[in-house]
Amino acid sequence: EAGVAQSPRYKIIEKRQSVAFWCNPISGHATLYWYQQILGQGPKLLIQFQNNGVVDDSQLPKDRFSAERLKGVDSTLKIQPAKLEDSAVYLCASSLTGWSERHTGELFFGEGSRLTVL
Amino acid sequence: LAKTTQPISMDSYEGQEVNITCSHNNIATNDYITWYQQFPSQGPRFIIQGYKTKVTNEVASLFIPADRKSSTLSLPRVSLSDTAVYYCLVGVQEAGTALIFGKGTTLSVSS
Repeated sequence: EAGVAQSPRYKIIEKRQSVAFWCNPISGHATLYWYQQILGQGPKLLIQFQNNGVVDDSQLPKDRFSAERLKGVDSTLKIQPAKLEDSAVYLCASSLTGWSERHTGELFFGEGSRLTVL
Repeated sequence: LAKTTQPISMDSYEGQEVNITCSHNNIATNDYITWYQQFPSQGPRFIIQGYKTKVTNEVASLFIPADRKSSTLSLPRVSLSDTAVYYCLVGVQEAGTALIFGKGTTLSVSS
């Protein structure tokens, strides 16, 4: 089974520039999450989608971050303009929604996109 | 979600058993306890989940006392490849629920 795909793996930009990250979740997973992980910290939830609707975006800095999940499949996270403190790994995860055989609520993460803002 | 407390770091040698304890005094009746593992440059991955008593799988064991206010992840005979960050999470683990991560425990295994 293919895992969560993310691109690009690495991105270096100057502050005030823009950047976009792409995520393709596991097939059939209705719920998609974007997390931000700053070096030395645990992942922090930015936004959660169920199909193409937003479930929780309370921690998304909406003045500079935006995310969409058109057609309820893949998703894009954009930062514009970027700040130095946005340097982090952006992790995408997906999970089943509703009853599943394991019913553990397990999240499946991609390898992440590492952003460096200079 | 219940707050968790776990050691910042632990050191071990290959072949030893490692036990990482997580404190979650405010755990709710419907909460499950889940552990994730994260290697450098990778996303976290699920290790084990439990509600009470003991759970064992091919990777680890999870011990949960009767009061459920703490839990212990046990890794038998660790190897260098077990060097990673381990996160303890507590919450309602229904499909489609977001996870809230703490800082985790960095386990370093030496030869």
